[in-house]
Amino acid sequence: DAGVIQSPRHEVTEMGQEVTLRCKPISGHDYLFWYRQTMMRGLELLIYFNNNVPIDDSGMPEDRFSAKMPNASFSTLKIQPSEPRDSAVYFCACSRGGGNIQYFGAGTRLSVL
Amino acid sequence: AQSVTQLDSQVPVFEEAPVELRCNYSSSVSVYLFWYVQYPNQGLQLLLKYLSGSTLVKGINGFEAEFNKSQTSFHLRKPSVHISDTAEYFCAVTRYNQGGKLIFGQGTELSVKP
Repeated sequence: DAGVIQSPRHEVTEMGQEVTLRCKPISGHDYLFWYRQTMMRGLELLIYFNNNVPIDDSGMPEDRFSAKMPNASFSTLKIQPSEPRDSAVYFCACSRGGGNIQYFGAGTRLSVL
Repeated sequence: AQSVTQLDSQVPVFEEAPVELRCNYSSSVSVYLFWYVQYPNQGLQLLLKYLSGSTLVKGINGFEAEFNKSQTSFHLRKPSVHISDTAEYFCAVTRYNQGGKLIFGQGTELSVKP
């Protein structure tokens, strides 16, 4: 298996632009997680899905952030409009069952200028 | 709610020396515990996990951790480190039946020097 695939690996954009981050989880894994990593706040869970349904989005910072999982093999995290404080590394992870090992993608490094 | 405290933000150590990275957690209910490692510019990968059973857990790359319920700790140890162990290490906790919602510590940067 190729593991969790995230794209793009790097994204540089200007403030106010829309940004879409993509994730393809491991086949058969029914939980999908989006995390954000910054120096100041460390690793934060933004939202997670079970069987494509959002279960907990309490970590989503504000309405500018949205996440979707239209099918078991694809998820997106969208920021509209983006702001410089959104600059971070965004990770997607998945697991087979809740409470089990999470497998992480390599991350998307986002820079908002 | 759970929380995780990693007591050291940076740990410098010489090659072949032993190392211990400390992790304390707080939770009013039973939890699962994990240690993840992050190499530069990479995602996190699992080192080891404690779900139940033996309190001494062995992981990859020669690491082990001991779950101590009375002290609410889950310290990570390795008897002899290598240069290649230089990375950031994260302790994480999740509650039973919480769908795997991981709470991470702030991370410990392990720097192994020759």
